[in-house]
Amino acid sequence: GAVVSQHPSWVICKSGTSVKIECRSLDFQATTMFWYRQFPKQSLMLMATSNEGSKATYEQGVEKDKFLINHASLTLSTLTVTSAHPEDSSFYICSARGGSYSNQPQHFGDGTRLSIL
Amino acid sequence: KNEVEQSPQNLTAQEGEFITINCSYSVGISALHWLQQHPGGGIVSLFMLSSGKKKHGRLIATINIQEKHSSLHITASHPRDSAVYICAVYKETSGSRLTFGEGTQLTVNP
Repeated sequence: GAVVSQHPSWVICKSGTSVKIECRSLDFQATTMFWYRQFPKQSLMLMATSNEGSKATYEQGVEKDKFLINHASLTLSTLTVTSAHPEDSSFYICSARGGSYSNQPQHFGDGTRLSIL
Repeated sequence: KNEVEQSPQNLTAQEGEFITINCSYSVGISALHWLQQHPGGGIVSLFMLSSGKKKHGRLIATINIQEKHSSLHITASHPRDSAVYICAVYKETSGSRLTFGEGTQLTVNP
């Protein structure tokens, strides 16, 4: 089946650092990628949707300047958490969808656990 | 009230038992996903269905569009099936965005 690779799987860094997370579709072209955040024992919360070659669409309440999303190719999207602070510590997970129909399946990465000290 | 509700929230079973997880939704949908989230956090898409029934190995998913209900069944459960199972739907009004249930924590004891 379709594989989505997310890297790194775990990051610990100091407050004020910027952290980049990569999401790659390995065997299909991802026309749309999604970035989610998940708090312990809670469901996934959509942060933004990105389509290749265009600006990401952010969900209400998500700071665009804080969470920079780039979807420069059909196989790679990146999420950069700028000037990270302890409250940004969370589990971030991406998913990718190929094709042009809205109900194509989403394929998920393994997530990135971000800890800001 | 959540648009996607799952039951039970927690489920403990003995190895070999037949398991059913239920998902009810209150909105029009174009398709429904069953997802499995491992203890480490990674998510696997088990099924996407819009009608009828699908089977993969020991897993079976069914959906009844008229009743707005889906079930995930696991036959001959095994400790490695222990995970959080999440029901998620594509709402007719939300394009490619998924709406998630709260998840069902399954623990299968040896």
